[in-house]
Amino acid sequence: SQQGEEDPQALSIQEGENATMNCSYKTSINNLQWYRQNSGRGLVHLILIRSNEREKHSGRLRVTLDTSKKSSSLLITASRAADTASYFCATVAGPSGSARQLTFGSGTQLTVLP
Amino acid sequence: EAGVAQSPRYKIIEKRQSVAFWCNPISGHATLYWYQQILGQGPKLLIQFQNNGVVDDSQLPKDRFSAERLKGVDSTLKIQPAKLEDSAVYLCASSPRQGRGNYGYTFGSGTRLTVV
Repeated sequence: SQQGEEDPQALSIQEGENATMNCSYKTSINNLQWYRQNSGRGLVHLILIRSNEREKHSGRLRVTLDTSKKSSSLLITASRAADTASYFCATVAGPSGSARQLTFGSGTQLTVLP
Repeated sequence: EAGVAQSPRYKIIEKRQSVAFWCNPISGHATLYWYQQILGQGPKLLIQFQNNGVVDDSQLPKDRFSAERLKGVDSTLKIQPAKLEDSAVYLCASSPRQGRGNYGYTFGSGTRLTVV
């Protein structure tokens, strides 16, 4: 079953603008990860934020996590045409020693127009 | 470091035929995953291996899907017989730790299966 739900489903912006995608999830998590998927390709890991962290940065990416609201956001600053892709949030949950896996949301399709 | 290798990249088969996909994970990665991604959806886990043992196959349709990971390295996923609803991209991923989920996964490019 899908754990996360991304919002919006699709986003179209101009090059240079910022893009914000949101993710909501249902159960307590160990960590939350964001992935990018270019059309016809596999997923690429972007960033991981642990449940005890509130914000994390990596280059032009900024991720926030609000465990009280069970939500996360991904901000891409100064977007480029090459950022056009689908973006997925994925959560890891389960007690220590259990089989933990990534559970993906349905994704946001980002289009950056030149 | 070489990535996760998958083959074939594309496969078209008729319903009721069988098909097999192959995955070679990153060297040294203990955990291997197979995901199914239907067009327009996020990936869904089918099976998780730790070394050569199955950790979780609760979402694998065992009446038609099977998977193995011999010697804890390469893995194959088989569908027999295929149904139209099996049309999807099959993604293989690996991670360095034993299923603790504290690291990002490395995904292969996937095999796009079309069942006609």
